[in-house]
Amino acid sequence: NAGVTQTPKFQVLKTGQSMTLQCAQDMNHEYMSWYRQDPGMGLRLIHYSVGAGITDQGEVPNGYNVSRSTTEDFPLRLLSAAPSQTSVYFCASSYSPGGNSYEQYFGPGTRLTVT
Amino acid sequence: AQKITQTQPGMFVQEKEAVTLDCTYDTSDPSYGLFWYKQPSSGEMIFLIYQGSYDQQNATEGRYSLNFQKARKSANLVISASQLGDSAMYFCAMREGVSGSARQLTFGSGTQLTVLP
Repeated sequence: NAGVTQTPKFQVLKTGQSMTLQCAQDMNHEYMSWYRQDPGMGLRLIHYSVGAGITDQGEVPNGYNVSRSTTEDFPLRLLSAAPSQTSVYFCASSYSPGGNSYEQYFGPGTRLTVT
Repeated sequence: AQKITQTQPGMFVQEKEAVTLDCTYDTSDPSYGLFWYKQPSSGEMIFLIYQGSYDQQNATEGRYSLNFQKARKSANLVISASQLGDSAMYFCAMREGVSGSARQLTFGSGTQLTVLP
C-alpha cells in the first residue's frame, strides 16, 4: 500500500492563479480531509468528506473547493490564489476498524507559496 | 475558547530522561478522543497514541504514554527514555463525537521538543 499520496510536493503560484492539489489513498478509507498548517500553528481543517459524493466545510473553507467522485481521490482546488494561502497542505484519511479511534493517516504534505 | 491548549512552545530534555508534554482540552461532548502526533523536521505527521474519553486506563505505546486526567481535562504525553530522534514538534489533537462524520481533528499549536546529547 502506498498509503496517502499527495502531488505536487512543492508549488509556487502567482496571485490570482488557480490550481488543484491532488490527494489519493489506496486503503479504501471512506473519510478524507484537507488541513492547512501555517507557521507556528497546528493544522486547521479546510474541507472533509465522509464518502464519495459527500463533502462538507471545515474551519477555514474560504477560497477552496473540493469534490469526491471516487473513494480513492479527494482533490483540493484553489480558485484564485492569494498570498494568505501560502501554507503546507496535508491530506488525511481514516476508517474505523471496529474501534472508535478514527486514527487519521496523513499524506506527506504539499508546500504552497503564493507570490 | 481554545479547544486544545499546549502551553509549552519549546521544551528541552536530556537524552535518556523522561519528558512530559502538556495538553489541556475543552469540550462539552461526553464522547471524544485525544491524539498525539509527532512532526519531525521532514514535515510528515506521525501518529503516536490515542486515548478515548471512555477508556478506563491510560494509553501506552512503547515509550509513549498518555496521562489522561478527565476531571482536569488534561491529556499529557509522557516520553520515557528520550532519544535524539525524538526531537520534533509534537501536536495534541481532539476529535469530538463518535458519528462517522465526527472525525475532524482540532489541533493545538504544538510543542517543539529538543533532546540534548
